[in-house]
Amino acid sequence: EDQVTQSPEALRLQEGESSSLNCSYTVSGLRGLFWYRQDPGKGPEFLFTLYSAGEEKEKERLKATLTKKESFLHITAPKPEDSATYLCAVHLYSSASKIIFGSGTRLSIRP
Amino acid sequence: EAGVTQFPSHSVIEKGQTVTLRCDPISGHDNLYWYRRVMGKEIKFLLHFVKESKQDESGMPNNRFLAERTGGTYSTLKVQPAELEDSGVYFCASSLRSGDANEKLFFGSGTQLSVL
Repeated sequence: EDQVTQSPEALRLQEGESSSLNCSYTVSGLRGLFWYRQDPGKGPEFLFTLYSAGEEKEKERLKATLTKKESFLHITAPKPEDSATYLCAVHLYSSASKIIFGSGTRLSIRP
Repeated sequence: EAGVTQFPSHSVIEKGQTVTLRCDPISGHDNLYWYRRVMGKEIKFLLHFVKESKQDESGMPNNRFLAERTGGTYSTLKVQPAELEDSGVYFCASSLRSGDANEKLFFGSGTQLSVL
């Protein structure tokens, strides 16, 4: 069964304290891996798409990387406004329509 | 440019009643998706429209759920009759292209449905 697992469930950091969020996947035929950010009361907001092992994407303080079994979202010197839930999702060759989400990591940055 | 709009933002109904959720996608987006998150679970796919046609409805939980997309514009999701386990947040998303790993989904803010 296709599965996406995110860890940790929750992470509290001090402002400026860098860390990484993990997304491990067990799927057949990965077409693409997505990272989304979700703020309370809002829908997910697209951050990155990664296609193949070794690929990296960056946006401000965020950098996403991909291996054959997992993806990492690295957060460098985070600020309080980076507090949100970060969702990983996969798109498979077996379905053109749906993406499969992980349960997310709730990130909290203290000033 | 307006984003994906969902209405209502919250709905509280009693078990057995009917509820209709509405989604207005971004103008020009042929692809429209419904997802939902029930308590403590991941966001899960319900169905996908390309214009007015259902492309994939494999995620619809049962025949109490009916989705329509009239004229390829807005979409409605009706739950009739509602059950307690239908409670959750229902998200709508839209995109320009389908079946492309490049695809970027734009999500609405969701409808929080509570069935009592």
